[in-house]
Amino acid sequence: GAGVSQSPSNKVTEKGKDVELRCDPISGHTALYWYRQSLGQGLEFLIYFQGNSAPDKSGLPSDRFSAERTGGSVSTLTIQRTQQEDSAVYLCASSLAGVGAISSPLHFGNGTRLTVT
Amino acid sequence: GNSVTQMEGPVTLSEEAFLTINCTYTATGYPSLFWYVQYPGEGLQLLLKATKADDKGSNKGFEATYRKETTSFHLEKGSVQVSDSAVYFCALRASGTSYGKLTFGQGTILTVHP
Repeated sequence: GAGVSQSPSNKVTEKGKDVELRCDPISGHTALYWYRQSLGQGLEFLIYFQGNSAPDKSGLPSDRFSAERTGGSVSTLTIQRTQQEDSAVYLCASSLAGVGAISSPLHFGNGTRLTVT
Repeated sequence: GNSVTQMEGPVTLSEEAFLTINCTYTATGYPSLFWYVQYPGEGLQLLLKATKADDKGSNKGFEATYRKETTSFHLEKGSVQVSDSAVYFCALRASGTSYGKLTFGQGTILTVHP
């Protein structure tokens, strides 16, 4: 079946511009995550959505970052007034949710490589 | 809080050598443990998982055993190939306030030479 789809795969933007990154999760997965992978920084959790619950935004690095998930499916990560330090690969993942779901893996998309010039 | 610690890298091996990548964790409750692999230019793929103590996950010749007494989940392969060159991430998923979140180790770069 279809996996997690992210678009665009690459994005180059000028410092100060806003960008939107899109994620289309696996059908039936109610949990959706955004991570950031920077060179030498490993994988950094950004935000987590589960069903209709309030999202866990504890990983967002500043108020320039926001995300929404419409209709429990597609998610958009928005970065306002981009800075050079925002350059990274932004990864989206989805999974099953619920009490027994901690044994279920996260399924990742191929990511969006963001370059801020 | 939850955390995962992987051995320092990078790791460089010759083809057919034995591989061990160490991973230890700190978590409350009973986490599930995962190894993910990232091949050059690609996204993260699940390599294997274990969901309770003494479980052994295996895939593509790789194995890891969930050791609760030592809080470890070391990755092993008896004979590596050039195609195994990638970045390997150990991760856990635990119950708690953000039980859905995967907590990752810092990643280990593996390079296998012919």
